[in-house]
Amino acid sequence: GQSLEQPSEVTAVEGAIVQINCTYQTSGFYGLSWYQQHDGGAPTFLSYNALDGLEETGRFSSFLSRSDSYGYLLLQELQMKDSASYFCAVRDSYGGATNKLIFGTGTLLAVQP
Amino acid sequence: DAGITQSPRHKVTETGTPVTLRCHQTENHRYMYWYRQDPGHGLRLIHYSYGVKDTDKGEVSDGYSVSRSKTEDFLLTLESATSSQTSVYFCAISESQYNEQFFGPGTRLTVL
Repeated sequence: GQSLEQPSEVTAVEGAIVQINCTYQTSGFYGLSWYQQHDGGAPTFLSYNALDGLEETGRFSSFLSRSDSYGYLLLQELQMKDSASYFCAVRDSYGGATNKLIFGTGTLLAVQP
Repeated sequence: DAGITQSPRHKVTETGTPVTLRCHQTENHRYMYWYRQDPGHGLRLIHYSYGVKDTDKGEVSDGYSVSRSKTEDFLLTLESATSSQTSVYFCAISESQYNEQFFGPGTRLTVL
């Protein structure tokens, strides 16, 4: 089967750093994406890793280790507005087409003052 | 923001009735997707389209059909709605299979 594992909830304080881990087991792998979703809103794209290593975009960084089937999203200088759900998603292929996303169940991040 | 709209935004219907959800984009993106989101399951792909009249099934396609007669519109139909199809439905678009997906605002569907 195909599965992605991520913690269901994480709590952190404003200004802190938090890491959200994602481990995956999929039949194919073309990359790992991260999406943010505020309560009642639409998922929005944060980052994408196709190769091993760290990708940095402002306060957010994402890391991938393909040999370990593992990635993480790192959020620095946490702000209250970062309180949201964060989903990892594997870009997989099946049926011959790529760019099908398989999502994890999401991590609810609560940022406290 | 990517130009994606979904209609209706909310719908309550009864078991056994047909329901059609519409996704409309103004970005001229080739790929369009329908997902459902349920607690404990994240987002799951129902169907996707890689061009006009070109569609394929996702991981939870049973009970759903789709059509795409124009680049800008992707319709999701529940031929006979069931209570298990109560969910939030998101449409997404991407320029190519290699680009990130942009999501619409979602449709909350309740089947009584």
